[in-house]
Amino acid sequence: SSELTQDPAVSVALGQTVRITCQGDSLRSYYASWYQQKPGQAPVLVIYGQNNRPSGIPDRFSGSSSGNTVSLTITGAQAEDEADYYCNSRDSSGDHVVFGGGTKLTVL
Amino acid sequence: QITLKESGPTLVKPTQTLTLTCTFSGFSLSTNGVSVGWIRQPPGKALEWLALIYWDDDKRYSPSLRSRLTITRDTSKNQVVLTMTNMDPVDTAKYYCAHKLSAAGTPFDYWGQGTLVTVSS
Repeated sequence: SSELTQDPAVSVALGQTVRITCQGDSLRSYYASWYQQKPGQAPVLVIYGQNNRPSGIPDRFSGSSSGNTVSLTITGAQAEDEADYYCNSRDSSGDHVVFGGGTKLTVL
Repeated sequence: QITLKESGPTLVKPTQTLTLTCTFSGFSLSTNGVSVGWIRQPPGKALEWLALIYWDDDKRYSPSLRSRLTITRDTSKNQVVLTMTNMDPVDTAKYYCAHKLSAAGTPFDYWGQGTLVTVSS
């Protein structure tokens, strides 16, 4: 079982704002990263660190953190944002990498 | 430009050992602070981290798979090799390698396309 917990599915109306969360005790100590994965494709990094976007990632993607929860927010969701989203960080020991169980985002 | 590409068998039999190779370019695994990891994803399921090898040859493994995994590097060939013993049908998955800086909290910022491995007799 994953040490990072995500809601299995979330939906958002086109153009609205959606928040995808990831919970875990290790998140009090370590930054998380977020990946977007579309069917048949490799994951793509969308947010990392405090709230950093790699080059080419739209600014409608943002990240935040509070206590043991990190969040990925998409402000003005687009149809192309429909995908699976995974959070990733370290485990409580700090020695190992962990991924969340993933959240399937549907854009209505 | 950083690229990674996984290679290996597409089909292995139960109990066999799987050997996967990640061939990369655009960085050196001898450079301070660099690491390469392996991650897998069974069909329709979540990502699962397997192993990580650092620039100084330090290695980390998933606790649940530790006894079955070995990760090594060949810096002259720009390759990282993952072996997994005693393969089982539940190990059927797409296997990815990815570049990561070693500091805690840094992401897997570049991924290979993945290679699908099916375990079946």
